[in-house]
Amino acid sequence: ILNVEQSPQSLHVQEGDSTNFTCSFPSSNFYALHWYRWETAKSPEALFVMTLNGDEKKKGRISATLNTKEGYSYLYIKGSQPEDSATYLCAPRRGGADGLTFGKGTHLIIQP
Amino acid sequence: DTAVSQTPKYLVTQMGNDKSIKCEQNLGHDTMYWYKQDSKKFLKIMFSYNNKELIINETVPNRFSPKSPDKAHLNLHINSLELGDSAVYFCASSQRGGWTEAFFGQGTRLTVV
Repeated sequence: ILNVEQSPQSLHVQEGDSTNFTCSFPSSNFYALHWYRWETAKSPEALFVMTLNGDEKKKGRISATLNTKEGYSYLYIKGSQPEDSATYLCAPRRGGADGLTFGKGTHLIIQP
Repeated sequence: DTAVSQTPKYLVTQMGNDKSIKCEQNLGHDTMYWYKQDSKKFLKIMFSYNNKELIINETVPNRFSPKSPDKAHLNLHINSLELGDSAVYFCASSQRGGWTEAFFGQGTRLTVV
């Protein structure tokens, strides 16, 4: 079982503010790192799949960076909106057939 | 067209019963998974199947048995249901290789009474 740590566990942010949170994972045998967004009463939806050290990906106001040597990834949200409220999950993979081992997530609440 | 579909969406059953949850994907993926959302709302992998072959079985009681009749289907059969089995179960699929995202079904809320 992979040891995946996400911090903080929960986060309250004012609408319009920017925020970021962390995913830490074992740097050995790294294969890929997935980020998912999970809204209450819905299914997780993929945000990014990252594979290369130094990779940076962006989707609208959300971006992510990856450091495979030290085993962490940051997710950034710029100008938070109420619709950004969700739990953000990261999942490192050690191999192609490896199941996604999710962290416990960062629960983000955007306050109007 | 729903990419990953699970049935039923809700399932209420008595302790001791046997039940199945069905999952189908129309994405042409070769790997399918079952996840359990536990009481603390965390998502834990139960099983991973690649090309109808079991790859991962993460310390799941043997009352849980996945069955994959073909690459597009992965059903979850649960024998002798217990109160502690109450949870939301998610099916997902992806393409082996790990560089593409997994797609999740809408979840099945199982309540054992």
